[in-house]
Amino acid sequence: EVQLLESGGGLLQPGGSLRLSCAASGFTFSTYAMSWARQAPGRGLEWVSSISDNGRTTYYADSVKGRFTTSRANSRNTLYLQINSLRAEDTAIYYCVKTGDRIRGVYNYFDTWGQGTLVTVSS
Amino acid sequence: EIVLTQSPGTLSLSPGERATLSCRASQSVSSNYLAWYQQTPGQAPRLLIYGASSRATGIPDRFSGSGSGTDFTLTISRLEPEDFAVYYCQQYGISPSFGQGTKVEIK
Repeated sequence: EVQLLESGGGLLQPGGSLRLSCAASGFTFSTYAMSWARQAPGRGLEWVSSISDNGRTTYYADSVKGRFTTSRANSRNTLYLQINSLRAEDTAIYYCVKTGDRIRGVYNYFDTWGQGTLVTVSS
Repeated sequence: EIVLTQSPGTLSLSPGERATLSCRASQSVSSNYLAWYQQTPGQAPRLLIYGASSRATGIPDRFSGSGSGTDFTLTISRLEPEDFAVYYCQQYGISPSFGQGTKVEIK
């Protein structure tokens, strides 16, 4: 069974930083592109970032470009999201997402979602 | 950036009825890279449909997707109690984007 377990969320002040982690299991992690998506309280879904299976290529939404960095450690089956210069509008549940088709790479649907980790930015 | 507009915002129906949800894109979605997700309160989204019309693993056949280009539809043939939820469409080409969601509520 595919499982994605996010961690690292919490209450932080504007301007702060944090790193989210996603522990993956139940599939061959190193052969799938992965993504992060987020959902602000009471709002819809927003794609945040995607990373290729080998970690060499990353893509970001304009809203986070330059502040967020996605990386992965295939040897540890773990995906990361480094968030810097936090803003109030970054408050959201952050979901780790597995893509659905190994061949498609990052241009891919999201077939499994973790339960998410809540990041709250407030002074 | 492709903007997806879902309609209606809320759909009030009774169990057993047919639900038809629309997703319109601001420009053509390449290769029908269009997916639908279901989200119930407090839960993560679940993939229903990808490639505009392919059902994901384990999804009942009362869910079907259709469309191409800029107009896509998710149809639930007969609503079950567990189908009352929020549904999102997504294009997963360059710079993925989601629609704002359609809530299917019990009438």
